[in-house]
Amino acid sequence: GAVVSQHPSRVICKSGTSVKIECRSLDFQATTMFWYRQFPKQSLMLMATSNEGSKATYEQGVEKDKFLINHASLTLSTLTVTSAHPEDSSFYICSAASSIERYNEQFFGPGTRLTVL
Amino acid sequence: QQQVKQSPQSLIVQKGGISIINCAYENTAFDYFPWYQQFPGKGPALLIAIRPDVSEKKEGRFTISFNKSAKQFSLHIMDSQPGDSATYFCAATTRGGNQFYFGTGTSLTVIP
Repeated sequence: GAVVSQHPSRVICKSGTSVKIECRSLDFQATTMFWYRQFPKQSLMLMATSNEGSKATYEQGVEKDKFLINHASLTLSTLTVTSAHPEDSSFYICSAASSIERYNEQFFGPGTRLTVL
Repeated sequence: QQQVKQSPQSLIVQKGGISIINCAYENTAFDYFPWYQQFPGKGPALLIAIRPDVSEKKEGRFTISFNKSAKQFSLHIMDSQPGDSATYFCAATTRGGNQFYFGTGTSLTVIP
């Protein structure tokens, strides 16, 4: 159980275009989803926390107008990178929180590799 | 400020050996400590987790040792195999809390 999917797994786009990444919890309802960014050989950097039906909470330094997050249902959150530029190229990973014995365990998606040309 | 400090950054172990990765934290409110395994190009996967009411948890070849007074916890991989070669992240969070604080990761290479 506790499977999280992400789509697409890889995307290449031209500079200036927008890219949407979907994150789905397949077999559980996630009241909270998280979006991370990971650079090569580095740790996970939390970008934002998304609660179903409310606005996402962004971490300091993350532009909310550039990284639009929508958490439309208990099983789906989307991240849209608007007007993408080469510096936005990265590995984006979502996770969904599920309560396990009072602890909110996070289950990660497989990640999306974004390359902006 | 790094809430969870992880070491070493990289580790090379021979097949059959023991891999040890250490993490330390300062926030005494943390009370859930998971370890994640990440293969290149994939998302992290939960490996094993511990709560501070026990000092050790073992699942197969993977063991977490927890020292509450020292605010340290470590992952031990017994009989390390080449298939264990991956990046390992420790993390910490609070009961009912959402945010996980991750260590900086350890790249483990197990050589045949």
